[in-house]
Amino acid sequence: GQQVMQIPQYQHVQEGEDFTTYCNSSTTLSNIQWYKQRPGGHPVFLIQLVKSGEVKKQKRLTFQFGEAKKNSSLHITATQTTDVGTYFCAGLYNQGGKLIFGQGTELSVKP
Amino acid sequence: DTAVSQTPKYLVTQMGNDKSIKCEQNLGHDTMYWYKQDSKKFLKIMFSYNNKELIINETVPNRFSPKSPDKAHLNLHINSLELGDSAVYFCASSQSFLAPSSYEQYFGPGTRLTVT
Repeated sequence: GQQVMQIPQYQHVQEGEDFTTYCNSSTTLSNIQWYKQRPGGHPVFLIQLVKSGEVKKQKRLTFQFGEAKKNSSLHITATQTTDVGTYFCAGLYNQGGKLIFGQGTELSVKP
Repeated sequence: DTAVSQTPKYLVTQMGNDKSIKCEQNLGHDTMYWYKQDSKKFLKIMFSYNNKELIINETVPNRFSPKSPDKAHLNLHINSLELGDSAVYFCASSQSFLAPSSYEQYFGPGTRLTVT
């Protein structure tokens, strides 16, 4: 079935270090979304990528969508303690379909 | 102003009981969802309604029955609760499940269900 694999499951970094999480799908995605869930909170939408090879930036966060629309990444430059949380990618396979969430990457930042 | 609200926030109950979770959105969205997040934080869709009509019904036990009295509300009723039902249940909404540009989902605060 449709599956989105996300790695790593956990990432512990020192404040100021960079962080990257990766998502892969075995089949082509229509689009991919990224969400952040703070500890004890709910998922909050960050961004959506639709076009092949698309790159979007939000301050220290850089999101990429692969050329084949099968993979995506989120890179955070110079992490801060406010970046702590679980980052989820979620892929959409066809219009009107359901979002398939990756397993999430839990980021902890040591001050 | 809360965009997507859920009640209750916490629910502790015994096996075999029946319980309901309510969800309301004030965003004017057409589509609403129920997700289950297990102890490993895996998020899985359970149901989706668009304008009160069921459009997604995942492989969920028949003990779970969603109801959408209008497009702003989506409730989840669970019969004969089991230990494995313990999880956080999130309600979410999106403008439309058809338009990709408006597909971003807004999640409620979640209901932590504990079955003992």
